[in-house]
Amino acid sequence: SAVISQKPSRDICQRGTSLTIQCQVDSQVTMMFWYRQQPGQSLTLIATANQGSEATYESGFVIDKFPISRPNLTFSTLTVSNMSPEDSSIYLCSARQVGESTDTQYFGPGTRLTVL
Amino acid sequence: TQLLEQSPQFLSIQEGENLTVYCNSSSVFSSLQWYRQEPGEGPVLLVTVVTGGEVKKLKRLTFQFGDARKDSSLHITAAQPGDTGLYLCALLRGGFKTIFGAGTRLFVKA
Repeated sequence: SAVISQKPSRDICQRGTSLTIQCQVDSQVTMMFWYRQQPGQSLTLIATANQGSEATYESGFVIDKFPISRPNLTFSTLTVSNMSPEDSSIYLCSARQVGESTDTQYFGPGTRLTVL
Repeated sequence: TQLLEQSPQFLSIQEGENLTVYCNSSSVFSSLQWYRQEPGEGPVLLVTVVTGGEVKKLKRLTFQFGDARKDSSLHITAAQPGDTGLYLCALLRGGFKTIFGAGTRLFVKA
């Protein structure tokens, strides 16, 4: 199994500023992802974080707004840039472990972001 | 348009009652997953169903995959307050990206 931690757990930010969220996994994982969950809603995939290369973004999300890094197999960051109140949401890191007989996806507890 | 439609969106019931949550799509899937998310936490995988008509049980939870592999249901028997949470069905797109339905928010009153 994999345990995922995120920092910060929550933050309140001013519009126009940027926030970087860190995601640490306690074991090496095959893939890492970032999701957004707006209040009372389901999770929407932002991007797949690729080790050592540019992230792969889903429709509606762009690198300039959500730059992502993944320098190794256990760590990734998501930056929310030039924030506006519409960016207020929970951001969740996720990791997928693929083994010979297993394929399981794990989620972090999320970072609750409020933009004023 | 949501790829996976879930119903109901919200359900509030008394402890001890039974309930069923549905997940539907116009597409055929090779597999479908159910997750539960509690407040302040990330989703946790409950089950994966892969065969049309498959039924899986997890204590008081019964999961069924439709014969045509386009729909699924989750039935909870004798619900307890600890079952409170957001129930999400999900599919794998491209073999590795988990895409979620809109979710059913369940509240079980003691």
